Amino acid sequence: GESVGLHLPTLSVQEGDNSIINCAYSNSASDYFIWYKQESGKGPQFIIDIRSNMDKRQGQRVTVLLNKTVKHLSLQIAATQPGDSAVYFCAETEPTDSWGKLQFGAGTQVVVTP
Amino acid sequence: GAVVSQHPSWVICKSGTSVKIECRSLDFQATTMFWYRQFPKQSLMLMATSNEGSKATYEQGVEKDKFLINHASLTLSTLTVTSAHPEDSSFYICSASRPDRETQYFGPGTRLLVL
Repeated sequence: GESVGLHLPTLSVQEGDNSIINCAYSNSASDYFIWYKQESGKGPQFIIDIRSNMDKRQGQRVTVLLNKTVKHLSLQIAATQPGDSAVYFCAETEPTDSWGKLQFGAGTQVVVTP
Repeated sequence: GAVVSQHPSWVICKSGTSVKIECRSLDFQATTMFWYRQFPKQSLMLMATSNEGSKATYEQGVEKDKFLINHASLTLSTLTVTSAHPEDSSFYICSASRPDRETQYFGPGTRLLVL
């Protein structure tokens, strides 16, 4: 997900459909990636993570895909539910950062419609 | 596990006053804590990184004398916004990471409104 200024890209999904949220990252040295979900007025909530030695990881109703060749990360949500409505952020970190600082993407607003 | 709390959840103050926000890791010892700021419809912006017992490291453009960070123990970090002004109004979020320094767990955030 990419955005300019104050306009978060929005993904509108019908309840029950699958959602795919995309994220492009720029640092080829990044080796650890995380997806967070942030509901309105709350802090980010960990969803799923993936290391750079993997290209796919599955959780409960979520799958993260990593394509290091094109530096692309995606989050797939199966059977999207109204409770999935939130802003989703990808984050990355690199091994040279001893404190594990995260670089966040711009975020994607997911709106689930009935 | 990995619960992080913040207090207060929201605060309204007058311009010129100082506000202290607490961040606690409730069920684990946090080697490192991070402070973020978030404006509406925007991503999280890292302000500073703090390690227990040492001075915080501030990101470029963040005034360390304006945003005082204290990390007194492995479970508590505080952010004090000194002489707050309306432009400091924002959503402040902390996170904490375990000794493996990987996944960060976030607090619920503190909404600050400076009048």
